[in-house]
Amino acid sequence: DAKTTQPTSMDCAEGRAANLPCNHSTISGNEYVYWYRQIHSQGPQYIIHGLKNNETNEMASLIITEDRKSSTLILPHATLRDTAVYYCIVRFPQGGSEKLVFGKGTKLTVNP
Amino acid sequence: KAGVTQTPRYLIKTRGQQVTLSCSPISGHRSVSWYQQTPGQGLQFLFEYFSETQRNKGNFPGRFSGRQFSNSRSEMNVSTLELGDSALYLCASSPDGREYEQYFGPGTRLTVT
Repeated sequence: DAKTTQPTSMDCAEGRAANLPCNHSTISGNEYVYWYRQIHSQGPQYIIHGLKNNETNEMASLIITEDRKSSTLILPHATLRDTAVYYCIVRFPQGGSEKLVFGKGTKLTVNP
Repeated sequence: KAGVTQTPRYLIKTRGQQVTLSCSPISGHRSVSWYQQTPGQGLQFLFEYFSETQRNKGNFPGRFSGRQFSNSRSEMNVSTLELGDSALYLCASSPDGREYEQYFGPGTRLTVT
């Protein structure tokens, strides 16, 4: 599996965009980039995933560089409720004998 | 669609007892995975079920077991509880062919005394 590197922590002002980077320089051609987050004492929450095109949904946008070696999760208007640990995971989309592995992630703190 | 539900939300047991946790996946999801989360070890994969068959298993002792029913609901059982089994147990379901797009339930907080 491709390894990912994320900053340990980030801060963002409420109402501003939060841009969370992830490096995955060893990603292979068919591996997807997945983002999850975990708010304190809750189960992880799926946010978004993508292969090579930029993706957007009601929660966030995912920007993947052309060489696919890095990506950025964008929360366009961060709120206090977006304070959480954000995980970037690179995997093939199908399961079977594999499992979802969460690393350390980025602790995002949204400040008032 | 209703999300993943887990029961009970909180549980207190004593060492040596056994416990059964329940998970109802999102309607239409046939894959159900279980995870254990502790402050020291983080989120660890227990096992995955698909169409009543265990498809994948993590590195946990045989005291941890599970099953899935024909309606995709799943249960996990822990026998001979140890203090170290105190944790948040999370269940997740996913759409067919998109197993890494997992939708987690709120978890069951198990405390072993």
